[in-house]
Amino acid sequence: NAGVMQNPRHLVRRRGQEARLRCSPMKGHSHVYWYRQLPEEGLKFMVYLQKENIIDESGMPKERFSAEFPKEGPSILRIQQVVRGDSAAYFCASSSSRGQETQYFGPGTRLLVL
Amino acid sequence: QKEVEQNSGPLSVPEGAIASLNCTYSDRGSQSFFWYRQYSGKSPELIMSIYSNGDKEDGRFTAQLNKASQYVSLLIRDSQPSDSATYLCAVNERTGGFKTIFGAGTRLFVKA
Repeated sequence: NAGVMQNPRHLVRRRGQEARLRCSPMKGHSHVYWYRQLPEEGLKFMVYLQKENIIDESGMPKERFSAEFPKEGPSILRIQQVVRGDSAAYFCASSSSRGQETQYFGPGTRLLVL
Repeated sequence: QKEVEQNSGPLSVPEGAIASLNCTYSDRGSQSFFWYRQYSGKSPELIMSIYSNGDKEDGRFTAQLNKASQYVSLLIRDSQPSDSATYLCAVNERTGGFKTIFGAGTRLFVKA
């Protein structure tokens, strides 16, 4: 399967724990985007990364959230000290370049904070 | 604040009819426009991309772009019950920007 992969597909955490979401882009893609979708709402941009670089993190909360895309391995979205309001679907998308290139989405990770 | 606006619906059309979905955007310099389909509980799936003014057709789908009016639409001909989903309009910032801004989506119901 050469598509965008995300894991885990479902993640349950208690308040105060850490959530770590992983995304492997489509083969040949070097640009990764993370989005958050609350129930019955649209996709909200969080962060855009290339290998080893954060290009635009203007959509990401300043505290508790961080993202990385190392030279080797998947992109990671980390949420520290989760709160109930973090419960959402987190989607990763990848593209071969920025600008006009189409983004292809992974299946998402559904995070539930108890 | 750059915005992409869609009518949330639901839009209900009978099977075989034409469904018309509309979207307006605020950033006049936007260059790239996309329509995604999202079934409940699933991830967005690209249907169409359009970059130039005018119409672009792909099977039963036609995307229309009018940059002067900052308006993009999606027409679905011969609508099928399987087309029932939420349709998301997405707009890339002007060249040099990195974000894709998504509308909140229009829910479409196609009645058999």
